[in-house]
Amino acid sequence: DAGITQSPRYKITETGRQVTLMCHQTWSHSYMFWYRQDLGHGLRLIYYSAAADITDKGEVPDGYVVSRSKTENFPLTLESATRSQTSVYFCASMRAYNQPQHFGDGTRLSIL
Amino acid sequence: AQSVTQLGSHVSVSEGALVLLRCNYSSSVPPYLFWYVQYPNQGLQLLLKYTSAATLVKGINGFEAEFKKSETSFHLTKPSAHMSDAAEYFCAVSDRISGGSNYKLTFGKGTLLTVNP
Repeated sequence: DAGITQSPRYKITETGRQVTLMCHQTWSHSYMFWYRQDLGHGLRLIYYSAAADITDKGEVPDGYVVSRSKTENFPLTLESATRSQTSVYFCASMRAYNQPQHFGDGTRLSIL
Repeated sequence: AQSVTQLGSHVSVSEGALVLLRCNYSSSVPPYLFWYVQYPNQGLQLLLKYTSAATLVKGINGFEAEFKKSETSFHLTKPSAHMSDAAEYFCAVSDRISGGSNYKLTFGKGTLLTVNP
């Protein structure tokens, strides 16, 4: 089925470890986004990408790395996880600036 | 950069009552506006969008929102609440990312709607 999928849905890891969250969309949307959702903060943009090989920082990029070698994939890597990165992470895609974003179901990440 | 304010982090209504969730944005230029709904353990789903075609926008599940430029508001309403409407609702505005030609969504902090039987 067409859509946007995130994996894994749940992840528990330890501080200092590297962890990668995957995001895949089947619409060939140009834009893709990574958000984190925390109580009291709503959704905060981590990184975004306007097209393959074009990425840029959002509101809270520190400690995260992204890449986009293919239009359909937009992985998010925590290079050395910290407890403050415990959160729910959402990936989204968008066809154009005046169109809505479509969200995945999220990855719940716990860092011990 | 734009900002979005949702008045009331928590709204509680009785089943069958009117639902009113408030959203104000900061821009003086009519932007593209959206309402999303999030059910527990799920991603955000689009309820409706305003793209300047009409000031009253109808969405899914009986929700609608009215764009009022003079008040910079985009409040969400539903005439009669149903138990299944219990969820968190987010207002968002399309916002040009500074210094470039790309856009992002700026979200409000959300309003949790509870529906009492």
